[in-house]
Amino acid sequence: QLQLQESGPGLVKPSETLSLTCTVSGGSISNSNYYWAWIRQPPGKGLEWIGSIHYRGSTYSNPSLKSRVAISVDTSRNQFSLNLNLVTAADTAVYSCARLKGYGDQEGAFDIWGQGTLVTVSS
Amino acid sequence: QSALTQPASVSGSPGQSITISCTGTSSNVGSYNFVSWYQQHPGKAPKVMIYEGSKRPSGVSNRFSGSKSGNTASLTISGLQAEDEADYYCCLYTGGSTSVLFGGGTKVTV
Repeated sequence: QLQLQESGPGLVKPSETLSLTCTVSGGSISNSNYYWAWIRQPPGKGLEWIGSIHYRGSTYSNPSLKSRVAISVDTSRNQFSLNLNLVTAADTAVYSCARLKGYGDQEGAFDIWGQGTLVTVSS
Repeated sequence: QSALTQPASVSGSPGQSITISCTGTSSNVGSYNFVSWYQQHPGKAPKVMIYEGSKRPSGVSNRFSGSKSGNTASLTISGLQAEDEADYYCCLYTGGSTSVLFGGGTKVTV
């Protein structure tokens, strides 16, 4: 059964870059039918899509974050990563990776999620 | 402020039915059929309950149903149970992963 696991620092200083990696296990990231996404949730608030990537490298980002977001994929390691630069306290959130069905049945559904990791922006 | 508007809270008694609305515009909800709904219990990852507006994934109770009319999508929970108490989010996918919008979330109290 496919699983996702986020990893990275839990504390980032203001103005620095938040870097997270999502490791895909139990299946291949190189599946044409799926995108791989990052979603965040500030404490006590709702979900916010950050962006998505296809294993072939095409990326899409939330317009509100686009200038600060970079998403990459490493098919050899079955991983994809998020870099968010110039962070502020407003970027404090639980960051989750998820699988997004891009084509076919269940198109548009985030069907598998990681457990999420809390990243705090503070000096 | 989310592009998709949901009521902040909805409550109901066990056995009753409730409906959560997700209102967008003719440019988003009104133009695309890829609306999904997620249930999130405290401290847990979201779980997809409805996809493509009205379809249920395998394993999801048939007490959950989805629909869409114009610019508004809806999630109905019938035969409300204590375990249904959670936060619910609507989500719109505009195809090709070009854009994803989440609603602000609705807290359901049983």
